[in-house]
Amino acid sequence: AQKITQTQPGMFVQEKEAVTLDCTYDTSDPSYGLFWYKQPSSGEMIFLIYQGSYDQQNATEGRYSLNFQKARKSANLVISASQLGDSAMYFCAMRDQAGNQFYFGTGTSLTVIP
Amino acid sequence: EPEVTQTPSHQVTQMGQEVILRCVPISNHLYFYWYRQILGQKVEFLVSFYNNEISEKSEIFDDQFSVERPDGSNFTLKIRSTKLEDSAMYFCASRQPGQGAGEQYFGPGTRLTVT
Repeated sequence: AQKITQTQPGMFVQEKEAVTLDCTYDTSDPSYGLFWYKQPSSGEMIFLIYQGSYDQQNATEGRYSLNFQKARKSANLVISASQLGDSAMYFCAMRDQAGNQFYFGTGTSLTVIP
Repeated sequence: EPEVTQTPSHQVTQMGQEVILRCVPISNHLYFYWYRQILGQKVEFLVSFYNNEISEKSEIFDDQFSVERPDGSNFTLKIRSTKLEDSAMYFCASRQPGQGAGEQYFGPGTRLTVT
């Protein structure tokens, strides 16, 4: 069963606008972690933001925020004030309770239009 | 800022040969991981390693693969008898101990090309 689902293969956003990248997950673990990573064309994986399943508040890191809706099992990434440098692949990932395995989604390619 | 390093950045090998991909995790991290990403596809978990043994491995991680922490700093992935379909980017990652710990830190990856 697919653990992480990203339904948007590609997204476009105007520079300075906000964009939401969708992510839903599936787990029966009571404790888990959710992550977003950015992968620019150069290939490296850059950590953006983390949300623990027991965290009461949505995580924020600068222009990145995670819209965590536990009942819906969704963990959408919101990027505010998009910049040209935000153009990249974005992967949603989940860590299981034991922390020994991470599951990645298929990614969303974001293009920021000047 | 400490970072995970990987060598080589690009490895070309012939089918049937053995390759060793090397990683140096962040020094105070205790959990180590290998992932692979076939070009244009998602990142796939291969194996996790803690306390000098494998914690978890995926179905991809068959007898062709092995991992080792030969000393206090290196973490290696060995692929015996490489196949064409092993061509991918291989990422090493590490994280701090504790279940509440957040992110994994990824290395820059090794691009493996099997010809």
